[in-house]
Amino acid sequence: DGGITQSPKYLFRKEGQNVTLSCEQNLNHDAMYWYRQDPGQGLRLIYYSQIVNDFQKGDIAEGYSVSREKKESFPLTVTSAQKNPTAFYLCASSPDRGRGYTFGSGTRLTVV
Amino acid sequence: AQTVTQSQPEMSVQEAETVTLSCTYDTSESDYYLFWYKQPPSRQMILVIRQEAYKQQNATENRFSVNFQKAAKSFSLKISDSQLGDAAMYFCAYRGRGSQGNLIFGKGTKLSVKP
Repeated sequence: DGGITQSPKYLFRKEGQNVTLSCEQNLNHDAMYWYRQDPGQGLRLIYYSQIVNDFQKGDIAEGYSVSREKKESFPLTVTSAQKNPTAFYLCASSPDRGRGYTFGSGTRLTVV
Repeated sequence: AQTVTQSQPEMSVQEAETVTLSCTYDTSESDYYLFWYKQPPSRQMILVIRQEAYKQQNATENRFSVNFQKAAKSFSLKISDSQLGDAAMYFCAYRGRGSQGNLIFGKGTKLSVKP
């Protein structure tokens, strides 16, 4: 079955470390997205990519970086510059603007 | 910029009863899409229902239906015959037809279902 796979499910990071969250899809969707979810904040857009080798900043891109070298993959790096990285991160993809997103199951990142 | 507002942080319903979750949005576009997503305790986001703005008929999916009022920019979700499995966070979302067309989410409504 097609879908989006996020890994790992739980991730612990020490202060000052960079960590990378994986997102892979086999839906042949062009567009991919990263959202951050905090309690009471809804989902906020970090980065998005509508085509391979191209990506755009979302509303809260500071302290994050992405790459889109393959259509199937859109990894997110949380850098040491991100002051408050503890959150739930959701990856999504979409075939076109008329449809909603398909979401992965998320990664819970905790800074220890 | 477009915004989505869910004015009810929490709602509660008795099993088998009907509940309506509110959503309003602000946009200058005339053509767009609206969605309701469900996030149960597993945190998996599940698409519940979708509405195209140019369609006047309200979307329906089994026990879930919407009341889409385009002029009022209102998009409420009605859940009929509520079940324990309906307990979740519900997010309203807007997607324009513009060049970016990213989903914009409200902050969510937490729905509890009482047995």
